[in-house]
Amino acid sequence: ETGVTQSPTHLIKTRGQQVTLRCSSQSGHNTVSWYQQALGQGPQFIFQYYREEENGRGNFPPRFSGLQFPNYSSELNVNALELDDSALYLCASTGGGGHSYNEQFFGPGTRLTVL
Amino acid sequence: AQSVSQHNHHVILSEAASLELGCNYSYGGTVNLFWYVQYPGQHLQLLLKYFSGDPLVKGIKGFEAEFIKSKFSFNLRKPSVQWSDTAEYFCAVNGGGRNNDMRFGAGTRLTVKP
Repeated sequence: ETGVTQSPTHLIKTRGQQVTLRCSSQSGHNTVSWYQQALGQGPQFIFQYYREEENGRGNFPPRFSGLQFPNYSSELNVNALELDDSALYLCASTGGGGHSYNEQFFGPGTRLTVL
Repeated sequence: AQSVSQHNHHVILSEAASLELGCNYSYGGTVNLFWYVQYPGQHLQLLLKYFSGDPLVKGIKGFEAEFIKSKFSFNLRKPSVQWSDTAEYFCAVNGGGRNNDMRFGAGTRLTVKP
């Protein structure tokens, strides 16, 4: 069974640029959630995708957008990067229709640094 | 506003000491509650969860947590910690049904001295 994978591991961008982060969900999982974890903080929910549709969104501006593909992998896109976007971005996948009580399996994260 | 509070930022214990990490939440309606752990250099992984039934929940590695609805609390406990329990611990909550807006606390770093 393959776990959740994310790419790239690390990324350095400058303010105003755009970035795309990728996530492959665990085998058999159809739901993917994205989180932002700033240094010293817990993960903050960005949004979730279930069967290629957005299924809930946290308090993040529209320049944070996402996609889910037919194979359930997902992308997180961030436009017009700001210094405060520097963080660890975590992807988590869930099976069972994405029900809220299901365990989320986390990937290793992508460390984004915005200069 | 929905929120999760973890009272201790850093806890230092000696091996065999008992552990209790506090977690309080502010959330209207039905909740599902989780404790996740992140060992050094590893992914976040689930320790235990509560969504209904017996409010005393047992998880992996000898951890347990008690849901006290009247206190909006879900404290994590372990009777006797080991050096290998050194990690960051996160409490998390979401609403019932298909509400997947998972809210995490800021985390508690546990250091166990051998």
